[in-house]
Amino acid sequence: DSGVTQTPKHLITATGQRVTLRCSPRSGDLSVYWYQQSLDQGLQFLIQYYNGEERAKGNILERFSAQQFPDLHSELNLSSLELGDSALYFCASSPAQGRGYTFGSGTRLTVV
Amino acid sequence: GNSVTQMEGPVTLSEEAFLTINCTYTATGYPSLFWYVQYPGEGLQLLLKATKADDKGSNKGFEATYRKETTSFHLEKGSVQVSDSAVYFCALTQGNTDKLIFGTGTRLQVFP
Repeated sequence: DSGVTQTPKHLITATGQRVTLRCSPRSGDLSVYWYQQSLDQGLQFLIQYYNGEERAKGNILERFSAQQFPDLHSELNLSSLELGDSALYFCASSPAQGRGYTFGSGTRLTVV
Repeated sequence: GNSVTQMEGPVTLSEEAFLTINCTYTATGYPSLFWYVQYPGEGLQLLLKATKADDKGSNKGFEATYRKETTSFHLEKGSVQVSDSAVYFCALTQGNTDKLIFGTGTRLQVFP
């Protein structure tokens, strides 16, 4: 157990729907990162939050949004889902910049 | 922009063979370099890292040396085990961001 908890582990939903992925960081970690792993695009950085504020943004679609709550857990919201959004979504956390990440085990999203 | 290039897999070896997985990078300035490992059904785990030129990262018998002159960070292990079978990702971060840029991953298969 890495200490980073992601729920759910698996999610199957239909095109056009909206889902929420949840991440609880390791105790004491202030930064949360979201990554998407797909067969065609590999591992891509989506977004980073630090202590509740957006810190950096990557190749995140406008249909996707995220937030980090006061208790430091984070949610990634994916809307108007398309088949191409099927992927593994990883969350990672870090105590501070340059201290390295700890990854969760991911949420596998299948859009049918 | 910054990028990481890894050798194509799969790499197939017999137990106790020598392993090299090539990784080269393109970046301005002085990135930090990482190797992550992903076992089946799990998230990514940091294997080793190096933050400046000529640094050698090592862990669990794996080693990689930060070579600025050849912009490389090749992963090596002297004697692989079946339990080393996994996907290995080379990655970099740079500047004032912790965003990880990953290579495409190299699958290693070790047979007894």
